[in-house]
Amino acid sequence: AQSVAQPEDQVNVAEGNPLTVKCTYSVSGNPYLFWYVQYPNRGLQFLLKYITGDNLVKGSYGFEAEFNKSQTSFHLKKPSALVSDSALYFCAVRDINTGGFKTIFGAGTRLFVKA
Amino acid sequence: DAGITQSPRHKVTETGTPVTLRCHQTENHRYMYWYRQDPGHGLRLIHYSYGVKDTDKGEVSDGYSVSRSKTEDFLLTLESATSSQTSVYFCAISEPDRGNYGYTFGSGTRLTVV
Repeated sequence: AQSVAQPEDQVNVAEGNPLTVKCTYSVSGNPYLFWYVQYPNRGLQFLLKYITGDNLVKGSYGFEAEFNKSQTSFHLKKPSALVSDSALYFCAVRDINTGGFKTIFGAGTRLFVKA
Repeated sequence: DAGITQSPRHKVTETGTPVTLRCHQTENHRYMYWYRQDPGHGLRLIHYSYGVKDTDKGEVSDGYSVSRSKTEDFLLTLESATSSQTSVYFCAISEPDRGNYGYTFGSGTRLTVV
C-alpha cells in the first residue's frame, strides 16, 4: 500500500538558520510526491511536487525538496528560515494503485521559526 | 482560494441532524475530493468524484454521502451527525488527465457537532 510518513510532529528552528522537514514514502511504482503548507486558520497551499527529472525540486516561497530514491525520502528544505514560515507542513504521495487519482497525506509537521 | 469555494465556513449542529457542506469550483476540473483534517491524522479522504454522478469512497466514508449533479458542485452530507464528525472539512480539485496532479484546496469548513 502507498503510504507517507512524517517522523517529526514539530520542528523548531531559529530565523536565518536552514530548515529541514522530513518525509519518507512507500510506493509500489514511481512516486508522485508533494509538499503542501497550511498557515494558521487557512486552507492548504501547494508548495512543490516531484514527478520525474531532477532530484532537487524548487517550489514556492524559497522552498525546495530533495528526492532520494535509495532512502525513499522527500525532505523539504529551505536555506534560511523566516518567522513567516511557521506553519503546518504536509507531505503527500499520489496513490498510483487507484489510478493515480487520489493523494495520501502524512500526519503533518508543525514548523516553529523563532526570531 | 481562487476558483474553489466552500460553504458554510463554520457550522454548529446538533447530534442526529443531517448536515450538507457545499464545494463549488469554477475551474472545470473533473476530479473533486472531500477530506477531513484532525490533529494527529493529517488529512483523510472521505469521498471523491471523477465526473458528474461518478463518485467513490475514501478511507473514512462511513456516515457520509456525496453527490455531484454538476461539474462545478460537490456536496458532502452527514446523514446523522455525530460528535466524532466534529472536524475541519476541506474540498480539493485536480485535473490529472491534463497532468495536473497537485490539488487546489478550498478554505475549509469547520464543523462542530454538539
